[in-house]
Amino acid sequence: AQTIHQWPVAEIKAVGSPLSLGCTIKGKSSPNLYWYWQATGGTLQQLFYSITVGQVESVVQLNLSASRPKDDQFILSTEKLLLSHSGFYLCAWSLRGEYAEQFFGPGTRLTVL
Amino acid sequence: QEKVQQSPESLIVPEGAMVSLNCSFSDSASQSIWWYQQHPGKGPKALISIFSNGNKKEGRLTVYLNRASLHVSLHIKDSQPSDSAVYLCAVSMRGDSGGSNAKLTFGKGTKLSVKS
Repeated sequence: AQTIHQWPVAEIKAVGSPLSLGCTIKGKSSPNLYWYWQATGGTLQQLFYSITVGQVESVVQLNLSASRPKDDQFILSTEKLLLSHSGFYLCAWSLRGEYAEQFFGPGTRLTVL
Repeated sequence: QEKVQQSPESLIVPEGAMVSLNCSFSDSASQSIWWYQQHPGKGPKALISIFSNGNKKEGRLTVYLNRASLHVSLHIKDSQPSDSAVYLCAVSMRGDSGGSNAKLTFGKGTKLSVKS
C-alpha cells in the first residue's frame, strides 16, 4: 500500500526566515508529485508539479521553490518567508496520466508571524 | 484560466436527508470532474469522478454532469453525521507535460453538517 508522509506537521516561523517542507511517498515508483497551498478560508491551489526526478514545473508564483531530489521525495522551500505564505501545504501524488486520481498527504500547517 | 464555483457555501441537514451540492465551471475542455471530501486539518480524499455527460452512481453518491451548461452536482443519499465535512469540486485539465499530468482547479468548497 502507498503511504504519503509530510513533515513537519506544523511550523511557526518569523517573517524573513527560511522554510523547508518535505514530502515522501512510499510504495509507488515514479509517481507524479504535486504541491498545493490552501490559505485559511481560501481555495486549494496547485503550486508545483513534477513528473520525474530533477524536473519541477511551477504553476503559481508565490516566491516559493520546489525540488525533487529523489524519486520518492518532494521539497518545498523559500529563503525568505512572507506573511502571505501562511496556510496549509499539501503534497499529493498520482500515477502518470491526465486522468489519474491525485492522493493527498496529511498536510503541514504553516503560521508566519 | 479555469474558474470553479460551488454552492451553497454551507449546508445543515438532519441525519437521513438527501444532500445536493452544486458546482459550475468555466472551460468545456475540462477532462474530468472530481469531488473530494476534506475534514478539518486533513488532506482531501477523492470520493467520485465523472468524465462523460450523464450520471454515475457509487454507493450513496450520485454525480450528474452536464457539459453544455458547465454544471456538475453531487447527491448524497441517506446522509450520516460522519458525512460532515467540506466537499470540494475539482476540475481536471490536461497539464503541461503532454498528457503526463493533470492540473486540478478547485472550488472553495461546501461545508456540510449533518445533525443527528
